[in-house]
Amino acid sequence: GAVVSQHPSWVICKSGTSVKIECRSLDFQATTMFWYRQFPKQSLMLMATSNEGSKATYEQGVEKDKFLINHASLTLSTLTVTSAHPEDSSFYICSASSVQSSYEQYFGPGTRLTVT
Amino acid sequence: SQQGEEDPQALSIQEGENATMNCSYKTSINNLQWYRQNSGRGLVHLILIRSNEREKHSGRLRVTLDTSKKSSSLLITASRAADTASYFCATGPTGGFKTIFGAGTRLFVKA
Repeated sequence: GAVVSQHPSWVICKSGTSVKIECRSLDFQATTMFWYRQFPKQSLMLMATSNEGSKATYEQGVEKDKFLINHASLTLSTLTVTSAHPEDSSFYICSASSVQSSYEQYFGPGTRLTVT
Repeated sequence: SQQGEEDPQALSIQEGENATMNCSYKTSINNLQWYRQNSGRGLVHLILIRSNEREKHSGRLRVTLDTSKKSSSLLITASRAADTASYFCATGPTGGFKTIFGAGTRLFVKA
């Protein structure tokens, strides 16, 4: 089956610093990747959709200058949380899909970000 | 944004009992998926049902879809303590394929 990895699996950073999270599709080419955020005991909230080679589409209320998304290749998308603050502490999950997968989404294992 | 609503929000049952979770959504969909998530972990894809399907089975799981009522249900039969987790429905709308998640049901199966 299709495998999506995320790196790192967890990260602790200081307030004001930036953190980059990677999402990779390991055995298929992902034309589209999605980034979700999940706060404790809550559901996944879609943050943005990124298509390879083009700018990401952000959901309403998500600051595009704070959450920078780059989808430079068919197997890699990155989410950079800039000037992180404690309220950005969350579980970030990516997913990937492609025409070959009939657009079924495959989810990464998630990255837990803690901002101190 | 979320479009799915699930009920109950939380469910506590004894091992061996059946668990039923319901999901309602607002717009037209291409498909509906159910996922399981253990505390603090990633998602596990359980089952996908397409808009032209009404029922689907996978092991102890049974999913129904009623597009006229914009609702779906997930039935877990003969539950086990290991089924304790949060369960989410997620919809893939027509005209696009971004998946939107419901609020989730937290299931607790007592041994």
